[in-house]
Amino acid sequence: GAGVSQSPSNKVTEKGKDVELRCDPISGHTALYWYRQSLGQGLEFLIYFQGNSAPDKSGLPSDRFSAERTGGSVSTLTIQRTQQEDSAVYLCASSRGGWEFSNQPQHFGDGTRLSIL
Amino acid sequence: AQKITQTQPGMFVQEKEAVTLDCTYDTSDQSYGLFWYKQPSSGEMIFLIYQGSYDEQNATEGRYSLNFQKARKSANLVISASQLGDSAMYFCAMREPRKGAGSYQLTFGKGTKLSVIP
Repeated sequence: GAGVSQSPSNKVTEKGKDVELRCDPISGHTALYWYRQSLGQGLEFLIYFQGNSAPDKSGLPSDRFSAERTGGSVSTLTIQRTQQEDSAVYLCASSRGGWEFSNQPQHFGDGTRLSIL
Repeated sequence: AQKITQTQPGMFVQEKEAVTLDCTYDTSDQSYGLFWYKQPSSGEMIFLIYQGSYDEQNATEGRYSLNFQKARKSANLVISASQLGDSAMYFCAMREPRKGAGSYQLTFGKGTKLSVIP
């Protein structure tokens, strides 16, 4: 497809389980971002990938959160030992990377709604 | 201090009227960008308009325009001729250069919920 694709769209799991969320960015976009949106709140930055550079992990809330991006395309966000406060919508966005494209908008996927029981 | 402040949690506007959604920001950088996104109840984030800090003209995109007042650090979104489909959450976001990290993530405000009344 032409847009950012995220899967699953919904995930319900028990506290303590690990979850993996997937993001497939727009073809040709070298920059990929993960954000978290808690109920009724704005978006909170989690992690950023740009090409082959080391990711910017400064937004990850704890060491239970990790992400990888394979082959400069698909990314997986992993949350280990999930807690109830991890319940949120996790949004992925992609854009053309580099400073010369920093005025370009980030294009968002539809998100994964994560519910921790 | 918050980087992006949207002081209106909720707004109502009559259909076909214009509405202004407020956004103020805080940065010490000279080079930055401001974005507005719309999030309908379905959840997707839709890009509306962009204003760069060095842009001399206020940005316009169809019925959307941005009232950019750099000295006051405000970037208010103006929607003209409101339509029922404009009912949604609206988020203001800022992109700042992150020295050394090379990343351009956006910092979002908490949003304004706009309701258009028939």
